[in-house]
Amino acid sequence: GAGVSQSPSNKVTEKGKDVELRCDPISGHTALYWYRQSLGQGLEFLIYFQGNSAPDKSGLPSDRFSAERTGGSVSTLTIQRTQQEDSAVYLCASSLEGGPPQFFGPGTRLTVL
Amino acid sequence: AQRVTQPEKLLSVFKGAPVELKCNYSYSGSPELFWYVQYSRQRLQLLLRHISRESIKGFTADLNKGETSFHLKKPFAQEEDSAMYYCALSDSGAGSYQLTFGKGTKLSVIP
Repeated sequence: GAGVSQSPSNKVTEKGKDVELRCDPISGHTALYWYRQSLGQGLEFLIYFQGNSAPDKSGLPSDRFSAERTGGSVSTLTIQRTQQEDSAVYLCASSLEGGPPQFFGPGTRLTVL
Repeated sequence: AQRVTQPEKLLSVFKGAPVELKCNYSYSGSPELFWYVQYSRQRLQLLLRHISRESIKGFTADLNKGETSFHLKKPFAQEEDSAMYYCALSDSGAGSYQLTFGKGTKLSVIP
């Protein structure tokens, strides 16, 4: 693959609905990160995966947010009962063997109406 | 709490002039510092990390613990250096690269 891919590129949803965001990391990269960037804010860490396990999920802002990774590859970030403050660009990144985020995906722009 | 400050939102320099993108941090532990770059219509990517002590695309950055700074420098700017640059910090002993990012500096190199 050419790099980290994310889908959808844009998602508009109504307040209270659930959304799923998908990330396909670079093949062979064992570390996967989710970050988000809100308007006027810097990039905020959400969760880190090493393989299929998440040793650091301290950045998830509430229990409405969850993420999983299967097969050491694809990851899904789920936001339940979306709120307007969840509107942001959600970025996924991957790296070899637990190094710092090396390559980011194009992001998913989430808009909650 | 850890914090990364990039005081300049926009920095314009002429081609061939030296470039210095400023980054200051506050952190009580043992930090690891990084620079990330995002070129126009491209994705964010890691440019360099302080522990590597390497030069990437002519850029270098030295961690100054006394001044809590990690400024990015290049002696002669090129047009292709125009991009958004983010400084980031993590706890080197944490085992997870939970990065704290600055808000970024947009570098514009004038031909």
